[in-house]
Amino acid sequence: QLQLQQSGPGLVKPSETLSLTCTVSGGSIRSSTYYWGWIRQPPGKGLEWIGSIFYSGSTYYNPSLKSRVTMSVDTSKNQFSLKLTSVSAADTAVYYCARQFWTWYFDYWGQGTLVTVSS
Amino acid sequence: QSALTQPASVSGSPGQSITISCTGTSSDIGDYNYVSWFQQHPGKAPKLMIFDVSNRPSGVSHRFSGSKSGNTASLTISGLQTDDEADYYCSSYTSSSTLVFGGGTKLTVL
Repeated sequence: QLQLQQSGPGLVKPSETLSLTCTVSGGSIRSSTYYWGWIRQPPGKGLEWIGSIFYSGSTYYNPSLKSRVTMSVDTSKNQFSLKLTSVSAADTAVYYCARQFWTWYFDYWGQGTLVTVSS
Repeated sequence: QSALTQPASVSGSPGQSITISCTGTSSDIGDYNYVSWFQQHPGKAPKLMIFDVSNRPSGVSHRFSGSKSGNTASLTISGLQTDDEADYYCSSYTSSSTLVFGGGTKLTVL
């Protein structure tokens, strides 16, 4: 059974960089069928796609976040990561990692990490 | 990119059927069969209910079905049960090689 385990700080100061990692177990991140994505959900609001990455490093980003987002993959650790720079209170949200099939649906999700941006 | 349009809320009684709409444009729903639907209970991660417009993942009840007409996709839940009460989100691939979600619909089972 595939599992995605998220890790990273739950509190980030304004203007600093948010960093999260998603570790995949029960399957290989080196798959030609899947991308690996990040989605966030501000408290009480809807889902927002942040971006997706292939194991080769190829990425797709949400245009509204593209200037601040970097995704990377570490195949040796079966992990992928998210960095979001220059955060503000508007970036406070539950962040999810997920496996994305090539037809752009997410079938396995991480547990979610609430990241609060506050000094 | 603009979010797909969903009704904020729908409601139904146990045993009834309801349909949630998800309206996009010719650059997303209208041009691709890459529409999916998610169910989210409070405090939980979203759960995939429908993918590629009308396909159900293994383990999802046959009471859930999806369809598409033009720029609008729909999720129908038949034989409503109390556990179906949740938030539902649609998503679609877009011509810009991005993904867009709907704003979400709160389903209340009366």
